[in-house]
Amino acid sequence: QKEVEQDPGPLSVPEGAIVSLNCTYSNSAFQYFMWYRQYSRKGPELLMYTYSSGNKEDGRFTAQVDKSSKYISLFIRDSQPSDSATYLCAMSDGAGNMLTFGGGTRLMVKP
Amino acid sequence: GAGVSQSPRYKVAKRGQDVALRCDPISGHVSLFWYQQALGQGPEFLTYFQNEAQLDKSGLPSDRFFAERPEGSVSTLKIQRTQQEDSAVYLCASSLVLGGTGALFFGEGSRLTVL
Repeated sequence: QKEVEQDPGPLSVPEGAIVSLNCTYSNSAFQYFMWYRQYSRKGPELLMYTYSSGNKEDGRFTAQVDKSSKYISLFIRDSQPSDSATYLCAMSDGAGNMLTFGGGTRLMVKP
Repeated sequence: GAGVSQSPRYKVAKRGQDVALRCDPISGHVSLFWYQQALGQGPEFLTYFQNEAQLDKSGLPSDRFFAERPEGSVSTLKIQRTQQEDSAVYLCASSLVLGGTGALFFGEGSRLTVL
């Protein structure tokens, strides 16, 4: 079993929908949690960065971390076709330490 | 430049050839990471530098893989005697730890195809 599990999708939603993306993990030492967006043939782009448990909001994006359940989520409000990409969760046990990634969820937002 | 720069973007090699992939990190970023991303998978850690010191190379899949960062800036990932299973995208990332969050910023990747 991988340290970080993520449903590969694809997840297909209509434009304007609320999207929920999730990851579970097994290593209780993880403290830093990130979401990256990766367009086809591009490098991962940092979307959200969270330390420890709690919520963080940035525009249409909200990241949630529940360390007691070892579960993290990314919510996208008012989804747009330009949000169509692969979303990768990543986590580490220290600032600047190596990241462990999930396998990515492919999201398609249809106009 | 403003971001992490990698070259070449695409490389086709015949099985058995040696390849070298270059990474130019964001100026002033102390930490540099190499990751391997297979098709449809998340990135997998290969190795990590802090300045010129290679602090962790536990992810390198075999002794055919070698990485260096001699002056603490540009890094090169070298793969000797390439095999078909080496076909993947090789991602470089850099991080500003001191005074920063430690989040990693990635380049566009070097896509290696071994025939």
